[in-house]
Amino acid sequence: GAVVSQHPSRVICKSGTSVKIECRSLDFQATTMFWYRQFPKKSLMLMATSNEGSKATYEQGVEKDKFLINHASLTLSTLTVTSAHPEDSSFYICSAAPGLGVTGELFFGEGSRLTVL
Amino acid sequence: AQSVAQPEDQVNVAEGNPLTVKCTYSVSGNPYLFWYVQYPNRGLQFLLKYITGDNLVKGSYGFEAEFNKSQTSFHLKKPSALVSDSALYFCAVREGSGGYNKLIFGAGTRLAVHP
Repeated sequence: GAVVSQHPSRVICKSGTSVKIECRSLDFQATTMFWYRQFPKKSLMLMATSNEGSKATYEQGVEKDKFLINHASLTLSTLTVTSAHPEDSSFYICSAAPGLGVTGELFFGEGSRLTVL
Repeated sequence: AQSVAQPEDQVNVAEGNPLTVKCTYSVSGNPYLFWYVQYPNRGLQFLLKYITGDNLVKGSYGFEAEFNKSQTSFHLKKPSALVSDSALYFCAVREGSGGYNKLIFGAGTRLAVHP
């Protein structure tokens, strides 16, 4: 299957600082990438849809100024958690699919665990 | 709006016994259904999908799922469980109404296979 890489896998930061998480599609081009957030023992919550060359589409209730998404190329999307606070601590997972279409499965990165002190 | 329900938080099975993880869905159009598995502190791995055709879909690691349109269900099954199957399982649905639509996940079911 296609490979999606996320970096860093773990990050600890102080409250008030910003953290950037990278998501790369290693062997395919991804016009669209998706960012999910997962709370402990909970399902994945879709945060936003990242579109190459245009603004991300955020889900209801997700602060776009808090969670900045940039999709500058067909293989890279970044999520920046700005002015992070302890409540932003979570497991963030990105996903992508090689090509558009509703029948294709998504491929997921390994996730990034953010801990805000 | 599309949605997915996984009614069981946890399923406990003895090794060697068959397992079933339940999933029901709700969409207004044609459903495209997926199962993923997640191991601790890892991303999700694709197991199988139903798009069209045969209602019984076979996937990775010996798993299969049966699409039942009348019951709007897509239960995940395996004839003989392994301890290594213990993980978190997610059912997901995408509505096939054209374009590339987002994937919506169920709450997840934790499968525990005991020796």
